[in-house]
Amino acid sequence: SAVISQKPSRDICQRGTSLTIQCQVDSQVTMMFWYRQQPGQSLTLIATANQGSEATYESGFVIDKFPISRPNLTFSTLTVSNMSPEDSSIYLCSVDGQGAAGYTFGSGTRLTVV
Amino acid sequence: KNEVEQSPQNLTAQEGEFITINCSYSVGISALHWLQQHPGGGIVSLFMLSSGKKKHGRLIATINIQEKHSSLHITASHPRDSAVYICAVPRGAQKLVFGQGTRLTINP
Repeated sequence: SAVISQKPSRDICQRGTSLTIQCQVDSQVTMMFWYRQQPGQSLTLIATANQGSEATYESGFVIDKFPISRPNLTFSTLTVSNMSPEDSSIYLCSVDGQGAAGYTFGSGTRLTVV
Repeated sequence: KNEVEQSPQNLTAQEGEFITINCSYSVGISALHWLQQHPGGGIVSLFMLSSGKKKHGRLIATINIQEKHSSLHITASHPRDSAVYICAVPRGAQKLVFGQGTRLTINP
């Protein structure tokens, strides 16, 4: 199954700033998924990123707040823009690894906004 | 009612105990996923199963499609098994819907 390198692993940011999270996959994948996990909550899908087209956002998430890039089949970035303390969460990327265990996840980015 | 319900939400046990975590879902599925999330936040896929039972080391996952129910068992539990265990089911094109997770703590 695929291996994902996600960075940064954690960051503390000032409100009003932006943070870009990167995910690099060791093989080509069609779709990459970006999730948010708020404290004490389960994962919520932010958007699905396809190479060569605009990302598809879930209800409650907008491109201006969470712009996504997908320049090729092995890489994607998620930016959390104009951050507020409510954006403090773990952000994870994922791909369908097509392996026996299914999906592969990045190691997560723990974001704290102060 | 959530599409995916897990129980218990929290579980504390002594090292060596047999652990069972349950997952019920409300819609038809092609497969169910069990995931493990460590304190740092990273997630590892443990199992993807569509019928019967799968085993990997001390972990066993079972699913009953007719009853829309799955269980994750850990035999001879160890403190390193302490993590949040999450079940997830597909919804649409490769999207996953997640349970709330079960926080497992194994004390030495």
